[in-house]
Amino acid sequence: DVKVTQSSRYLVKRTGEKVFLECVQDMDHENMFWYRQDPGLGLRLIYFSYDVKMKEKGDIPEGYSVSREKKERFSLILESASTNQTSMYLCASSLGHPGYTFGSGTRLTVV
Amino acid sequence: DQQVKQNSPSLSVQEGRISILNCDYTNSMFDYFLWYKKYPAEGPTFLISISSIKDKNEDGRFTVFLNKSAKHLSLHIVPSQPGDSAVYFCAASSRLEGGSEKLVFGKGTKLTVNP
Repeated sequence: DVKVTQSSRYLVKRTGEKVFLECVQDMDHENMFWYRQDPGLGLRLIYFSYDVKMKEKGDIPEGYSVSREKKERFSLILESASTNQTSMYLCASSLGHPGYTFGSGTRLTVV
Repeated sequence: DQQVKQNSPSLSVQEGRISILNCDYTNSMFDYFLWYKKYPAEGPTFLISISSIKDKNEDGRFTVFLNKSAKHLSLHIVPSQPGDSAVYFCAASSRLEGGSEKLVFGKGTKLTVNP
């Protein structure tokens, strides 16, 4: 089975900090995605990548950036964390079609 | 503009009865539909999918029905069990250039199965 690993389950950061969320997948998938999940808003796509060093904005990219230097690793960066970025962050990967495999999520709290 | 809608934020059923979760979509170009199940503090896990060329797919207690003319799909769980209590997300897939796909998710329906 594909495994998608997110480095932290829970994080607490201060407003203004630069935050790195790491995601690694072990099945040579081309496609990787970052979502955030908030109550009543479902899963919203932040950024995605279809290849190394390639990135595309999702629906809510403001305040975020990403890095994909290696195929297996896709990092989400909060340039200057704010309280409205408190959320559950979900990484996913995909070989093609259909469906994604998700990681366990990182619950980020910005105080 | 929401392309995938789950109009019921929550659903409560008795153990042993049928759970029916509904989903509507607007884009006729979606070629696959999927259901994911999510427990608190965990990532979503794939449950069942259906191609747009089919109208039914069954896997054990789970059946997904697709009505293309109505742009509507539903997930039936029979019989429902307390362990089915979770948030269920409907997702629609469209194929992009190069063979990649993009999933669009609904907002989720929280299912509670009471013993």
